[in-house]
Amino acid sequence: AQRVTQPEKLLSVFKGAPVELKCNYSYSGSPELFWYVQYSRQRLQLLLRHISRESIKGFTADLNKGETSFHLKKPFAQEEDSAMYYCALYSGGSNYKLTFGKGTLLTVNP
Amino acid sequence: EAGVAQSPRYKIIEKRQSVAFWCNPISGHATLYWYQQILGQGPKLLIQFQNNGVVDDSQLPKDRFSAERLKGVDSTLKIQPAKLEDSAVYLCASSISGTAISYEQYFGPGTRLTVT
Repeated sequence: AQRVTQPEKLLSVFKGAPVELKCNYSYSGSPELFWYVQYSRQRLQLLLRHISRESIKGFTADLNKGETSFHLKKPFAQEEDSAMYYCALYSGGSNYKLTFGKGTLLTVNP
Repeated sequence: EAGVAQSPRYKIIEKRQSVAFWCNPISGHATLYWYQQILGQGPKLLIQFQNNGVVDDSQLPKDRFSAERLKGVDSTLKIQPAKLEDSAVYLCASSISGTAISYEQYFGPGTRLTVT
């Protein structure tokens, strides 16, 4: 069965500092991974997906199959990055569904 | 385009009562999802529809939860009877399709259910 682990419930950094939100997964197939974000009083929304290899709002994430990780990184955190971040694993096959981690609350202090 | 709509936004009921949630997905989206998000947890898929057919309901407590998507558009999720542990935010999401290539789920604002 698939599983997503986000080891940090809370992460606090200062503005301008680098930030890394950790995500590890367990899945027997070929994984597709996503980061979703929920800003205060807003809806859950897609931030980025590994298949696109894109950088959104300065965030990047690299899929490391050897370490089964998909950590989210940003070199210089901004106050507006404060939000709840969820890592999600997509399992293909007959059931196309997302399995979410428990999330990490990022706070960027001024 | 208009986003996913959900109602009500908040609901407080007593245990053993029944409750229903409504979701209107983005126009043209074939796939609709209902998630349960308990405080401190990530969203957990309850049921997934492709048009008006059920794709996955393996985590739906079928003794008390039911869902339907008549005509492949709107959907309702019902709980009867409710238990204290059903207190959660219920999220509805939709996507163009359920396949990976075009796979982005758009979420509604959620319904916060409190069972007392």
